[in-house]
Amino acid sequence: AQRVTQPEKLLSVFKGAPVELKCNYSYSGSPELFWYVQYSRQRLQLLLRHISRESIKGFTADLNKGETSFHLKKPFAQEEDSAMYYCALREAPGGYNKLIFGAGTRLAVHP
Amino acid sequence: DTEVTQTPKHLVMGMTNKKSLKCEQHMGHRAMYWYKQKAKKPPELMFVYSYEKLSINESVPSRFSPECPNSSLLNLHLHALQPEDSALYLCASSQDLSGQREQYFGPGTRLTVT
Repeated sequence: AQRVTQPEKLLSVFKGAPVELKCNYSYSGSPELFWYVQYSRQRLQLLLRHISRESIKGFTADLNKGETSFHLKKPFAQEEDSAMYYCALREAPGGYNKLIFGAGTRLAVHP
Repeated sequence: DTEVTQTPKHLVMGMTNKKSLKCEQHMGHRAMYWYKQKAKKPPELMFVYSYEKLSINESVPSRFSPECPNSSLLNLHLHALQPEDSALYLCASSQDLSGQREQYFGPGTRLTVT
């Protein structure tokens, strides 16, 4: 079965510190991975996708097929980064756009 | 309009009630989704509609009945629910089912079954 593992339920850092939210996956095919974020009292929204290789709000994530990881990183955390972060794997049976979410990591950035 | 809207925001229903959750988008998206999210858990896919046809049913009990009356609307009809069905129900849409299409999520309906 395809799985997404986020080992940390909570990650607590101080403002300005580097952040790394871990995500590991198991998938028999070619993976497509995403990071979704949910700020307090806001809806779930896409942060970034691996295929774009982009940096959004200072966050980057590199797909490492050897380690089956897609860790989310930011060099200097800001208080407004505090949120729930979900790593997600796209499964495409028959071409369908099905997302499998990890359990999520809550990032708390303290002043 | 780049939002997915859901009504109602909150719903309390008894186990014998019949109710419906509604979802709407006006982004021209042709794929729509229902997810269930229990407290402190990630969203779990329930149904996927593509071009108003049911594409995926993730073995959801028949007391949940989805309906897609047109390309902008998605309903979830509820009947004879159990207390364990209490959760946040999220609707999402995407342009279609292909490629790395972003899924746009609604704010959810928080359902409590008493």
